[in-house]
Amino acid sequence: QKEVEQDPGPLSVPEGAIVSLNCTYSNSAFQYFMWYRQYSRKGPELLMYTYSSGNKEDGRFTAQVDKSSKYISLFIRDSQPSDSATYLCAMRGGSYIPTFGRGTSLIVHP
Amino acid sequence: EAEVAQSPRYKITEKSQAVAFWCDPISGHATLYWYRQILGQGPELLVQFQDESVVDDSQLPKDRFSAERLKGVDSTLKIQPAELGDSAMYLCASSVDRGRTEAFFGQGTRLTVV
Repeated sequence: QKEVEQDPGPLSVPEGAIVSLNCTYSNSAFQYFMWYRQYSRKGPELLMYTYSSGNKEDGRFTAQVDKSSKYISLFIRDSQPSDSATYLCAMRGGSYIPTFGRGTSLIVHP
Repeated sequence: EAEVAQSPRYKITEKSQAVAFWCDPISGHATLYWYRQILGQGPELLVQFQDESVVDDSQLPKDRFSAERLKGVDSTLKIQPAELGDSAMYLCASSVDRGRTEAFFGQGTRLTVV
């Protein structure tokens, strides 16, 4: 079992939909949780990060962390075709070594 | 806007040849990372530098891979000899220091070994 599990998708939604992307993890030492967006043939771009449990909102994006369930989520409101990309979750503990999920491919169709 | 620069963007090499990738991190960033990303997978850390020192290279295949950051600024990742299984995207990232969560990635070098 990998330390970070993420469904590769693809997840296909209509424009304007609320998107929910999720990751589960097994290492209880993880404290920092990040979401990256990666367009095809590009490097990942950091969207948001949270420390420990709770919610964080930035525009149309909301990140949630539930440490008791070892489950993190990224919600995208009013999704746009430009949101079509692969979304990678990443997390780390005190070792400073981030562990990435395999990414979920999101397709937002007009 | 400051960016992590990588070159080349694409590289095709024959099996058993040597290949090198270059990375110039954002100015002032002490921590530099090299990742390998196989198609359809997440990035996997190969090596992490703090200034010119290697702080983690536990996942670096040291029989064929080497990395250096001699002056604590730009960095080179080398593979010799290249194998077919090395075909992947090689990503460089940097952050202000190890304790900072925000890491910024370059565009990557896509390597194809034939």
